[in-house]
Amino acid sequence: SQQGEEDPQALSIQEGENATMNCSYKTSINNLQWYRQNSGRGLVHLILIRSNEREKHSGRLRVTLDTSKKSSSLLITASRAADTASYFCATAQDSNYQLIWGAGTKLIIKP
Amino acid sequence: DTGVSQDPRHKITKRGQNVTFRCDPISEHNRLYWYRQTLGQGPEFLTYFQNEAQLEKSRLLSDRFSAERPKGSFSTLEIQRTEQGDSAMYLCASVGGGETQYFGPGTRLLVL
Repeated sequence: SQQGEEDPQALSIQEGENATMNCSYKTSINNLQWYRQNSGRGLVHLILIRSNEREKHSGRLRVTLDTSKKSSSLLITASRAADTASYFCATAQDSNYQLIWGAGTKLIIKP
Repeated sequence: DTGVSQDPRHKITKRGQNVTFRCDPISEHNRLYWYRQTLGQGPEFLTYFQNEAQLEKSRLLSDRFSAERPKGSFSTLEIQRTEQGDSAMYLCASVGGGETQYFGPGTRLLVL
C-alpha cells in the first residue's frame, strides 16, 4: 500500500518559473525524503527532512514538513528543462528505513 | 551513476518461466532493499536485507518470489512461474551509515 499522495499528479510550467509539489501521508514518520526519476530510469535522492525539522534547503530545492497536517512540499525555484522528471515523496516510519512511496508528480518544464 | 548496478537491465520472458535478477550495491553498504514499480506508480517495498539477513518481507512478496544475499554483498531476486502481473520495474537500493537510499537503474521485466 502507498503511504503518500502527491499533488498535483502532473505539472507543466515555463522554464524559469517555480514549481511546487505537495505530499500528504497517513502515519507518523521518522523522516520524509524526496526523489527524482527521469523517464524509465532509477531514482535519485534529492533531500531528506527529519520529523523534528520544519524546513530544509538544498541549492534550488526547498522542502517543508508539517507533521501536524502530515504533509510536505517541495519547491524548485528557477526551473530548468533538465528538471523535467517525476518527483516522489517517500516516508520512513521507523529505524529500518523501509520507504513507503507516493504515486509521484510528473513535472514538465517547457523551454 | 549511483554506484549500484543491476543486471539485466531488461528481461522479456514467457509466462511460467523463472527469472533471476542481480543487484550489486555500493561496496560496504550493509542494507539492501528491493522494490517493484509499475507504470505511473511509485515503488512498492518488497524486502530488505541487513548484511546477509533478510529482515522483512512485504505481503506483496508471494511464495513465487525469493531473495537472497548470501555473503552480504550482492543480492538476487528470483521469480518462479512468472505471471503477466509480474511485469514491472524491479529496483534495488543500498544504504550505508545514513538514511539515504541509493538506487540502481532497475531491471524492467516484461512477461508475455
